[in-house]
Amino acid sequence: SQQGEEDPQALSIQEGENATMNCSYKTSINNLQWYRQNSGRGLVHLILIRSNEREKHSGRLRVTLDTSKKSSSLLITASRAADTASYFCATDVDTGTASKLTFGTGTRLQVTL
Amino acid sequence: DAGITQSPRHKVTETGTPVTLRCHQTENHRYMYWYRQDPGHGLRLIHYSYGVKDTDKGEVSDGYSVSRSKTEDFLLTLESATSSQTSVYFCAISASETQYFGPGTRLLVL
Repeated sequence: SQQGEEDPQALSIQEGENATMNCSYKTSINNLQWYRQNSGRGLVHLILIRSNEREKHSGRLRVTLDTSKKSSSLLITASRAADTASYFCATDVDTGTASKLTFGTGTRLQVTL
Repeated sequence: DAGITQSPRHKVTETGTPVTLRCHQTENHRYMYWYRQDPGHGLRLIHYSYGVKDTDKGEVSDGYSVSRSKTEDFLLTLESATSSQTSVYFCAISASETQYFGPGTRLLVL
């Protein structure tokens, strides 16, 4: 079963604009992570936010987490053409040492010049 | 890429034939994973390993088996490939709660 669902499925913006992607999930989590996938490549980890955190920043990335609504958002500020990729949220419900992630279906971001 | 390689990178096979995909890591990580990626489904966990000879099933394990006889290698076997197993397969390792992915294997079952 799919734990995370991203919204929107696709997003097209111009360079310099901000991009916001949302993720909803169904069960309690240990942490939530965002990954990027360029076409034809493997996924690359972007940022991890724990269940007791509400907001986290990394460079041009800002992630929020609302555990009461079981939702997260990823904001990319001042987007660049190189940000064109698919973005996935992934939830980890395991509090043990094994990281077992459940991925959403992804948001496809297109940044045009 | 955390020293993860997958082989082969592309494979075309026929229904009913056995297929083995290999994942190799160079950094001695304990946890390794196999996912498949299909349009509309994101990544789904097939099997994972938490040590040599220690494996467990994921969400979509039917039709797949795995083996891990050495820390660095995690093999995924399709005993009798079916067209529904046409997909892109990704291997990953876990380090500090995040996962690092290999480049993927594109498998086409005709």
